[in-house]
Amino acid sequence: AQKITQTQPGMFVQEKEAVTLDCTYDTSDPSYGLFWYKQPSSGEMIFLIYQGSYDQQNATEGRYSLNFQKARKSANLVISASQLGDSAMYFCAMREEVVTGRRALTFGSGTRLQVQP
Amino acid sequence: NAGVTQTPKFRVLKTGQSMTLLCAQDMNHEYMYWYRQDPGMGLRLIHYSVGEGTTAKGEVPDGYNVSRLKKQNFLLGLESAAPSQTSVYFCASSKGTQYFGPGTRLLVL
Repeated sequence: AQKITQTQPGMFVQEKEAVTLDCTYDTSDPSYGLFWYKQPSSGEMIFLIYQGSYDQQNATEGRYSLNFQKARKSANLVISASQLGDSAMYFCAMREEVVTGRRALTFGSGTRLQVQP
Repeated sequence: NAGVTQTPKFRVLKTGQSMTLLCAQDMNHEYMYWYRQDPGMGLRLIHYSVGEGTTAKGEVPDGYNVSRLKKQNFLLGLESAAPSQTSVYFCASSKGTQYFGPGTRLLVL
C-alpha cells in the first residue's frame, strides 16, 4: 500500500487565488512528521512546511499552510495568493519516527501546479 | 555556509562503468541520505547513514554502495552502471528537517 498518496497529477490556478494540494498518508507509527517540498523546473528540492503528528495547531509559513486532519490522515498544502513563481512540482513526504528509526522521508508522486496570469 | 553540495552535477556513463557521487554538508548533521528520482515519481531512498562510520540500506539499494568515512561526506558508488540507474540523484542531510543538495543527473547508455 502506498504510504503517501497525491491524487492530483496536475493543477491550474489563477494568479492571486488560493489553491489546495491534496495529500493523504498511511502509517501505524505513533509519531511521524509530514513535509511539503517544492521542486521548480531547475530541479532543486525546497523545503516549505512541516507538521508534527502531535502538533495541535496547523503549521503555517508565510503564504503556505498545512491543513492537517489526523483522523482522516490528510495533510493538504494550501497556498494563498498564488504567484507565477509558485509554478512547480510539489511533493508531500512523511517521516516515520519510531518504527524504523532512520528518519528518512517517503515521498508521494507529486502534483504539478501551474499558475496562470 | 554552503549547505549540501553534490558533485558532479551531470555525468554520462557507459554500461558497466563505475563512478562515485560525492555529497558534502557543512551543517554538522548526523543523518545523511541518498535518494533517486525517476520521471513522474517522488524520491526513493537508496541508502542512508545515521552517523560517521555507519550506513544502512533504504528501499532501492541494489547496484549501489555507500561510505561515510567523515561526518560531512557521504559517498554513493555505482560499481557497474546499468541503464536502469539513469536517474537524478539527491543527497540530503538532517538534524530535523531534511535539506537537499542540488542533484546529480546521471545518464547510463
